Amino acid sequence: AQSVAQPEDQVNVAEGNPLTVKCTYSVSGNPYLFWYVQYPNRGLQFLLKYITGDNLVKGSYGFEAEFNKSQTSFHLKKPSALVSDSALYFCAVRDRTGGKLIFGQGTELSVKP
Amino acid sequence: ETGVTQTPRHLVMGMTNKKSLKCEQHLGHNAMYWYKQSAKKPLELMFVYNFKEQTENNSVPSRFSPECPNSSHLFLHLHTLQPEDSALYLCASSQVTRDSSTSTDTQYFGPGTRLTVL
Repeated sequence: AQSVAQPEDQVNVAEGNPLTVKCTYSVSGNPYLFWYVQYPNRGLQFLLKYITGDNLVKGSYGFEAEFNKSQTSFHLKKPSALVSDSALYFCAVRDRTGGKLIFGQGTELSVKP
Repeated sequence: ETGVTQTPRHLVMGMTNKKSLKCEQHLGHNAMYWYKQSAKKPLELMFVYNFKEQTENNSVPSRFSPECPNSSHLFLHLHTLQPEDSALYLCASSQVTRDSSTSTDTQYFGPGTRLTVL
């Protein structure tokens, strides 16, 4: 069965510092991996996805994520955090046989000035 | 902003009421989804429509009834709900291929309807 884990409920970062939001997954075969962001009172916005190829994926708003097959991880990163990055971040995984998209429980990112 | 709109944005209803949530996508997609988002819980997939056909009903109680009249519109009809049904209901759409193994179908979400059941 597919599953996604986001081990941290909350991540606190100072503005200008690098940020990492962690995600690990379990899926049969090679996965499709996604990151979404949710601002207060809004729906989820697509940030980036990994399909195949280069393990480092670049997405919207300066975010990137690194696919690590051996560690079954897909951590979200940004070199320099902004206060406006404060939001709820969701990792999601889907297998390549047409299974449904499975979301993690979300990580709340708080960036302080 | 994402090309997926939902109405109403907020809804308060009693347990005996009947109401409907509406979703419309302007992206030309052929698949639409309903999700339930409750506090401190992962998103729960409720229903999936591919090419206007319902392909997934994720053990959702019958008090939730979906309707997909065409590929651009999706409804969620609500009746005799319970207070625990209070949540944010999100609609999403994506473009899928008939060969699901090749479909990367990024899902695009609407802003959600915040439902409160009294």
